[in-house]
Amino acid sequence: EDQVTQSPEALRLQEGESSSLNCSYTVSGLRGLFWYRQDPGKGPEFLFTLYSAGEEKEKERLKATLTKKESFLHITAPKPEDSATYLCAVEDGGFKTIFGAGTRLFVKA
Amino acid sequence: NAGVTQTPKFQVLKTGQSMTLQCAQDMNHEYMSWYRQDPGMGLRLIHYSVGAGITDQGEVPNGYNVSRSTTEDFPLRLLSAAPSQTSVYFCATQGGNTIYFGEGSWLTVV
Repeated sequence: EDQVTQSPEALRLQEGESSSLNCSYTVSGLRGLFWYRQDPGKGPEFLFTLYSAGEEKEKERLKATLTKKESFLHITAPKPEDSATYLCAVEDGGFKTIFGAGTRLFVKA
Repeated sequence: NAGVTQTPKFQVLKTGQSMTLQCAQDMNHEYMSWYRQDPGMGLRLIHYSVGAGITDQGEVPNGYNVSRSTTEDFPLRLLSAAPSQTSVYFCATQGGNTIYFGEGSWLTVV
């Protein structure tokens, strides 16, 4: 059964304090791993798609990496506006996309 | 450019009532889906469709019905609402390798 587990559930950082969010997964036939950002009261917003182990993608202060069993979202020198819930998801060989429960990130000025 | 439009945004239902959540997209994507989001459980797939006339069940399909008569529309029907269906519902489309979500529909069943 496909499964996505994100850790930690919540993360509190000071502005400028770099850290990483983890997404571990088990899936039959990985077609892609996605990272999304979700602000309160809004729908998730697409950040990255990763396809194969070793792949990396960057956007501003965010960098996503992928191994065969997990993905990391690295946040470098975060700012308060980076506060949000970050969701990880995997698409399996049957075109189903399964989401993790998310990591709530709080960045204090 | 509206993207994915969901209606209504908020709804309160009584137990046993039925209703339809509407979803429309203007991006001409074949793949559409419905998720529910509950605290601590993330987004769970209810039903999905890979094209007009084709639908399939996701993780939590019980109590919900869908149809896909056109590429643009993918309504979600609650057949007999139960308090356990109180949730936030998101409609989504997928184009290439990106999923686009609507703004969500907040449903409360009392």
